[in-house]
Amino acid sequence: DQQVKQNSPSLSVQEGRISILNCDYTNSMFDYFLWYKKYPAEGPTFLISISSIKDKNEDGRFTVFLNKSAKHLSLHIVPSQPGDSAVYFCAASAGTGGGADGLTFGKGTHLIIQP
Amino acid sequence: ETGVTQTPRHLVMGMTNKKSLKCEQHLGHNAMYWYKQSAKKPLELMFVYNFKEQTENNSVPSRFSPECPNSSHLFLHLHTLQPEDSALYLCASSQEGFYGYTFGSGTRLTVV
Repeated sequence: DQQVKQNSPSLSVQEGRISILNCDYTNSMFDYFLWYKKYPAEGPTFLISISSIKDKNEDGRFTVFLNKSAKHLSLHIVPSQPGDSAVYFCAASAGTGGGADGLTFGKGTHLIIQP
Repeated sequence: ETGVTQTPRHLVMGMTNKKSLKCEQHLGHNAMYWYKQSAKKPLELMFVYNFKEQTENNSVPSRFSPECPNSSHLFLHLHTLQPEDSALYLCASSQEGFYGYTFGSGTRLTVV
């Protein structure tokens, strides 16, 4: 049973507009959430994260929102740029403060930015 | 060289072969991981090593055997694999207390 779900396999957005990628989780023990970005033939790269004690974290064009009651998080990219075209993975951890617990990943959403 | 390096990038092996995947990190991290990415499936955690000690084996078949001789190197020994084991195998590392894993580029494994 998937504990981290990304229900949209792909998303197409026009350049300059906002991209919103969604992620749902089922494990109430998850307390840390991350987004990774993956280009073809490369490993995933860390993008942004959020702790369960927050409901928003912002880094430049990227903002992650967390709704704990709904067990839902989203990644907003604004404005979207052609270089943002990639697969985005949502990940979660039920760790106790350290990172060496292993992350649970979603299947990923392929974001395509149209010129 | 910096980051996480995985070799080989591509591997084709028969079901009776024995091969090894190698991962090396020069980031000073103390935790290393093996993940498997199959088509249309999430990244699946296979093994976790923390300070060279295996702390998690996520119900992985014994035909996959990890080895972590030191905190910079991680191996995945493969033997008598099945065609369904064909996947992208990703290595990652992290520093205790920080969740931002650094991934390697992966080894694309095909079992024939």
